[in-house]
Amino acid sequence: GAGVSQSPSNKVTEKGKDVELRCDPISGHTALYWYRQSLGQGLEFLIYFQGNSAPDKSGLPSDRFSAERTGGSVSTLTIQRTQQEDSAVYLCASSSNRDGETQYFGPGTRLLVL
Amino acid sequence: SQQGEEDPQALSIQEGENATMNCSYKTSINNLQWYRQNSGRGLVHLILIRSNEREKHSGRLRVTLDTSKKSSSLLITASRAADTASYFCATDKVSGTASKLTFGTGTRLQVTL
Repeated sequence: GAGVSQSPSNKVTEKGKDVELRCDPISGHTALYWYRQSLGQGLEFLIYFQGNSAPDKSGLPSDRFSAERTGGSVSTLTIQRTQQEDSAVYLCASSSNRDGETQYFGPGTRLLVL
Repeated sequence: SQQGEEDPQALSIQEGENATMNCSYKTSINNLQWYRQNSGRGLVHLILIRSNEREKHSGRLRVTLDTSKKSSSLLITASRAADTASYFCATDKVSGTASKLTFGTGTRLQVTL
């Protein structure tokens, strides 16, 4: 079946603008995660959603970052008033109830803030 | 913050040789996983080893876990040019359900012909 998809693939924006990044998880997966990977670095956890539970937002770096998941499926990560240090690859992953420990990653959105 | 550190940061070997990557972590875990990343894009899950396991095999992959030393190693045998990628370890504190992974800094593997 289809994997995790993300859009856009690449986004270039100007400092101070808002951006929205979209993630479509694998159909039927109940958990959805957002990570950030800065140039040459490992992945940094941002937020995850599990079913109808309150999301774990403990990794969001500032209040400029927010995410929502509508209808238990598609998720949008919003970055307000972007800064140059927000430039990174933003990766989304999803996992199922049956095998919650294995996360399936999308191709990522490469964000460049000028 | 990164829990894990991996070494080496970069590894270059010839096709047919074995590649060994190491990962260290700081806190107690339920399981440790290895992922592969090509060209700075999405990650692919390779193998998972639980805290009560010491060694696991999958094809040309062999993973070991030493919880007393808080370390793991990934061995790729008979490497191929297609194995060229970055490899990350990730730790999970929670069993059996969704939880956030804490990733290491990764090892860049280059396999040359």
